[in-house]
Amino acid sequence: AQSVAQPEDQVNVAEGNPLTVKCTYSVSGNPYLFWYVQYPNRGLQFLLKYITGDNLVKGSYGFEAEFNKSQTSFHLKKPSALVSDSALYFCAVRDGDNAGKSTFGDGTTLTVKP
Amino acid sequence: EPEVTQTPSHQVTQMGQEVILRCVPISNHLYFYWYRQILGQKVEFLVSFYNNEISEKSEIFDDQFSVERPDGSNFTLKIRSTKLEDSAMYFCASSESSEGWETQYFGPGTRLLVL
Repeated sequence: AQSVAQPEDQVNVAEGNPLTVKCTYSVSGNPYLFWYVQYPNRGLQFLLKYITGDNLVKGSYGFEAEFNKSQTSFHLKKPSALVSDSALYFCAVRDGDNAGKSTFGDGTTLTVKP
Repeated sequence: EPEVTQTPSHQVTQMGQEVILRCVPISNHLYFYWYRQILGQKVEFLVSFYNNEISEKSEIFDDQFSVERPDGSNFTLKIRSTKLEDSAMYFCASSESSEGWETQYFGPGTRLLVL
């Protein structure tokens, strides 16, 4: 079984400040980790993923995420938040040994205030 | 950039009616998926489909649900007799392979409201 936890329902940051959206996972095989963003009344947009190699992954719109195997975490980060980053963010995991479905976290609403 | 498309964007139906949600996956993708998101809740896996067969399905995907690839481009989700609790956003996704590292690309969703 695989699972994802996003411990924060809501993250609030001021524009220009760094942001972190937390994600921890559980998977029996090799973890493949993804971040998606959802804007209001829109679909899920792929941001970035971790497959293997460098633990720091860079993605779209200046986002990056750090894979930490010992802590089973994959936190999403951005050095300087923009108001336009305000959206719902989902972390997802796929099991490398039993590929197929993605399992999503509950989502974290990011609000960036001017 | 290629994208997954879904129609309709919104659908309102009466309880007990059949609905068909349509998706056009990215053209060179071979694996197709349906997920749903009940308002305010997480995105949940429904079913995966490859080579005209269901590869995997969740416990949500009961006998009221079916999927089909009727031609070379469309991928459909049918709900035979809708229930109030089927009201949700339904997302179609596709990927080139089923490998775990492969990105699943999602469509914009169909918002289904069952009255």
